[in-house]
Amino acid sequence: GNSVTQMEGPVTLSEEAFLTINCTYTATGYPSLFWYVQYPGEGLQLLLKATKADDKGSNKGFEATYRKETTSFHLEKGSVQVSDSAVYFCALSDQAAGNKLTFGGGTRVLVKP
Amino acid sequence: NAGVTQTPKFRILKIGQSMTLQCTQDMNHNYMYWYRQDPGMGLKLIYYSVGAGITDKGEVPNGYNVSRSTTEDFPLRLELAAPSQTSVYFCASSYLAGGGSYEQYFGPGTRLTVT
Repeated sequence: GNSVTQMEGPVTLSEEAFLTINCTYTATGYPSLFWYVQYPGEGLQLLLKATKADDKGSNKGFEATYRKETTSFHLEKGSVQVSDSAVYFCALSDQAAGNKLTFGGGTRVLVKP
Repeated sequence: NAGVTQTPKFRILKIGQSMTLQCTQDMNHNYMYWYRQDPGMGLKLIYYSVGAGITDKGEVPNGYNVSRSTTEDFPLRLELAAPSQTSVYFCASSYLAGGGSYEQYFGPGTRLTVT
């Protein structure tokens, strides 16, 4: 079956530091890949996505590249802000699995001023 | 557009009680989902629906029931609440976006405690 593995947190950074969150996946088909963000007390919001190999998703200064050869979709941001403190979830959807989302366990990021 | 709305926001149940978590979306999405999120964990799929009148089990369906009589509404029913069902419940809906991916939109969640 499908699975998503992402680095455990919490990740604690200072403002303006570089952030990277590793995500690797296992899928039987050709999945689409997503990063969702959950701010405290809220539901999940789509941050970015990529639908095929070598696609780069980007939004709000975050980027992730779909790497089929390494089955990875690492999230990066060059200069984080306090407002980026949240839990980040990597996920995949696969037509072979009925387009249901499979989530990683989430990575909590805390940015200190 | 309100997006995906869920009620109630919070609820405390006693063991053995029943309740229905409501979910409504106004985006005319065919697909709808129910997830639970346990503390410090990712989301697990309970049930999903690909359209009115069609539902199917997800990863953790035991103890829950759903119905989908309209495109807009997808209520989740707990018949005999147990402490193991203490969790935050998220409803989501999705459509077929560009590139063939199904982007999911989430509601704000219902925090349920069973004591």
